[in-house]
Amino acid sequence: QITLKESGPTLVKPTQTLTLTCTVSGFSLSTRGVGVGWIRQPPGKALEWLALIYWDDDERYSPSLRSRLTITKDTSKNQVVLTMTNVDPVDTATYYCAHNGGAGSYCLNYWGQGTLVTVSS
Amino acid sequence: QSALTQPASVSGSPGQSITISCTGTSSDVGGYDYVSWYQQHPGKAPKVMIYDVISRPPGVSNRFSGSKSGNTASLTISGLQAEDEADYYCSSYTRISTYVVFGGGTKLTVL
Repeated sequence: QITLKESGPTLVKPTQTLTLTCTVSGFSLSTRGVGVGWIRQPPGKALEWLALIYWDDDERYSPSLRSRLTITKDTSKNQVVLTMTNVDPVDTATYYCAHNGGAGSYCLNYWGQGTLVTVSS
Repeated sequence: QSALTQPASVSGSPGQSITISCTGTSSDVGGYDYVSWYQQHPGKAPKVMIYDVISRPPGVSNRFSGSKSGNTASLTISGLQAEDEADYYCSSYTRISTYVVFGGGTKLTVL
């Protein structure tokens, strides 16, 4: 059974760096074809894809946020970490991590429950 | 990069069929057969209903179907049920990011 769970701060101050962790189970981050991504959703607004990392450490980023994001993984801990620098109140959102549906897939077939992050002074 | 374009809302009565459109460009929807559709109920995580334009994951009702013509993909829900009321998002592979871009979402109301 594949599960993902997000963790991190619920409140961050403007200009600070946000670090979110996705802990996965039911699959290995080193299995060929596996990818884990991050998606966010501001309150009442649409989904926005942020970043994804593949089993071979290949990283993909949203062009509009690329300069502020870093995605890494720790296979031994079954964790994927997203770092966002210089946060702003507009970054307030529920952040989800999700499993990519395998090699050659561009479908996010398993999602975490999400974690709400508020950016405010 | 701009999100894919979806209607803000659609509605239908129980038993009817509805279609939600998702319009992109040749860099995304029109250029690749990697369109997915997600259903999201309030306060819940999204759930994939269609992937690769027309494929249904195990456990998804066959009342949900997908199609594509040119730069526009579509999700059709037949035999509408009250439980179908939710927000629906499309996504597509895009060569700009070499991963995906989402649509702006469509709120489905079952009258």
